[in-house]
Amino acid sequence: ETGVTQTPRHLVMGMTNKKSLKCEQHLGHNAMYWYKQSAKKPLELMFVYSLEERVENNSVPSRFSPECPNSSHLFLHLHTLQPEDSALYLCASSQGQADTEAFFGQGTRLTVV
Amino acid sequence: KNQVEQSPQSLIILEGKNCTLQCNYTVSPFSNLRWYKQDTGRGPVSLTIMTFSENTKSNGRYTATLDADTKQSSLHITASQLSDSASYICVVSYYSSASKIIFGSGTRLSIRP
Repeated sequence: ETGVTQTPRHLVMGMTNKKSLKCEQHLGHNAMYWYKQSAKKPLELMFVYSLEERVENNSVPSRFSPECPNSSHLFLHLHTLQPEDSALYLCASSQGQADTEAFFGQGTRLTVV
Repeated sequence: KNQVEQSPQSLIILEGKNCTLQCNYTVSPFSNLRWYKQDTGRGPVSLTIMTFSENTKSNGRYTATLDADTKQSSLHITASQLSDSASYICVVSYYSSASKIIFGSGTRLSIRP
């Protein structure tokens, strides 16, 4: 285990549903990240939070809404998704930003039907 | 344009054989380079980190090299095992007003018995 836990592991949702992905880290890190991994594509950084403040948002559609209530928890709220949003969503944490080792959760496999 | 390119896209070798994966980058100014291993359906796990001054670093049967002049890195796997079957991702960090990272698209390695 990496110390980063994601739930649920698998999620199937309709395009009109609202769901949330949860990430929790027990490493005392101060930065947390959401990544999207589509088939045969590189990991795409979606959001970065440092000390609970969003510091980077890579032009992600508004149907994805992150929330970081404290340094140990990170959520990704989903609403009115499209089938092309189906992917593996990975959460990661690190002590600093970018240039330090990121510890990843096992991901949530999301399928939008 | 900052880019990270990995080759080959996929590789199949027999158990016990050696292999080398390549990573070329055009990132500047360079901070560090990491190799991650990602098992199917799981999050990536860091194997090794290379900084500007390091040429070679080993982690068990994994040996990473870095040539900062040519901006190339390689990951050599010795005496491959079935458990080495995974995607190997090269991640390069750089500075651009803040620390940033770029993920390569990965090499999918399959070890056959």
